[in-house]
Amino acid sequence: GDSVTQMEGPVTLSEEAFLTINCTYTATGYPSLFWYVQYPGEGLQLLLKATKADDKGSNKGFEATYRKETTSFHLEKGSVQVSDSAVYFCALSFNSGGSNYKLTFGKGTLLTVNP
Amino acid sequence: GAGVSQSPSNKVTEKGKDVELRCDPISGHTALYWYRQSLGQGLEFLIYFQGNSAPDKSGLPSDRFSAERTGGSVSTLTIQRTQQEDSAVYLCASSLGGGGGNTIYFGEGSWLTVV
Repeated sequence: GDSVTQMEGPVTLSEEAFLTINCTYTATGYPSLFWYVQYPGEGLQLLLKATKADDKGSNKGFEATYRKETTSFHLEKGSVQVSDSAVYFCALSFNSGGSNYKLTFGKGTLLTVNP
Repeated sequence: GAGVSQSPSNKVTEKGKDVELRCDPISGHTALYWYRQSLGQGLEFLIYFQGNSAPDKSGLPSDRFSAERTGGSVSTLTIQRTQQEDSAVYLCASSLGGGGGNTIYFGEGSWLTVV
């Protein structure tokens, strides 16, 4: 079945460091890809998405490019801030034969940014 | 508020008791989802509603779990004869519909602890 694999954390960085969180997927077809973020004490929020190959999603300085050839959607940010400390989830979804766009998530990566 | 609202935010129950978790989606959203977030299992899909019907119940872990949605709005997730392994955060989400890559918005979750 469909699945998402993301790098295991926790990841600890200093402020202004470069961030990469790897995400790869297995799917029969061409899903839409997402990064969700969960800040401490808050609900899941959509960070960015890409719906077709070579699309780049971006938001709040984060970027991810949909790479069909490597089935990847790695999350990057050039200079992290303490406020970026959160759990990051990679996810995919399909229109599975109807109206169902349910999300399949990776296990999440905890990022801690120290000042 | 304008977001997905869930209640209770925290629930402690004794093993064997029944619990009900409520979700109030964003107004006008026809699609509604329940997910479960637990340590070691990550985020698991439970059930999807389109309007009042549930075309995908494939994630419900056992027949102790059920959900309904009325008036195309509020949904209730019921867990009967709770077990300790049911302890988790139950997340509700909604979206405008199932097509076209609609963004799925999450509530803050109901944290269930079974003792």
